[in-house]
Amino acid sequence: AQKVTQAQTEISVVEKEDVTLDCVYETRDTTYYLFWYKQPPSGELVFLIRRNSFDEQNEISGRYSWNFQKSTSSFNFTITASQVVDSAVYFCALSDANDYKLSFGAGTTVTVRA
Amino acid sequence: DTAVSQTPKYLVTQMGNDKSIKCEQNLGHDTMYWYKQDSKKFLKIMFSYNNKELIINETVPNRFSPKSPDKAHLNLHINSLELGDSAVYFCASSPAGVVNTEAFFGQGTRLTVV
Repeated sequence: AQKVTQAQTEISVVEKEDVTLDCVYETRDTTYYLFWYKQPPSGELVFLIRRNSFDEQNEISGRYSWNFQKSTSSFNFTITASQVVDSAVYFCALSDANDYKLSFGAGTTVTVRA
Repeated sequence: DTAVSQTPKYLVTQMGNDKSIKCEQNLGHDTMYWYKQDSKKFLKIMFSYNNKELIINETVPNRFSPKSPDKAHLNLHINSLELGDSAVYFCASSPAGVVNTEAFFGQGTRLTVV
């Protein structure tokens, strides 16, 4: 069975601090996909990144970066120099290759204070 | 153009009523989903359709009945609404599972049962 654990329920930082969100997953499949979605206070789900299990390269997109480590089954997300607009709930999710669903973690609420 | 659109955005109704939420995607995707987000923000798959065929029915009460008249539409009908059905319901779509890309989400329908 798939499982995604986001152990941090809430994180509060001051603007310009870096914040790292942890995501640990479980799956028996060798081919799978990992995702991060952002849910701002307005409520929509915004796609941030998709990574397949064969690509362990870290990725950077502006102030966002992701660290994928198969050895520890982790796909962590870092926001560098956080801004108030980064305040949101962030979800990590997992899908096996032939599965028609995303299994979401419980989400981490990030609050960035000015 | 909105990729995945849901109507209505807000729905307030009394216990025992029957209501429907409509979803349409203009992305040409084969797979559509319904997710439920509860009051603790937890997101869980309810149904998944691929080419109008039900693929996933994740232990959802029989009062919930999805209907897919064509690949672009997946509606959710709920009979005999209960207080516990209050949640945000998200429709989503993807080309064929998430093998090639992420799932695209609608803006959500906030259902409140009073």
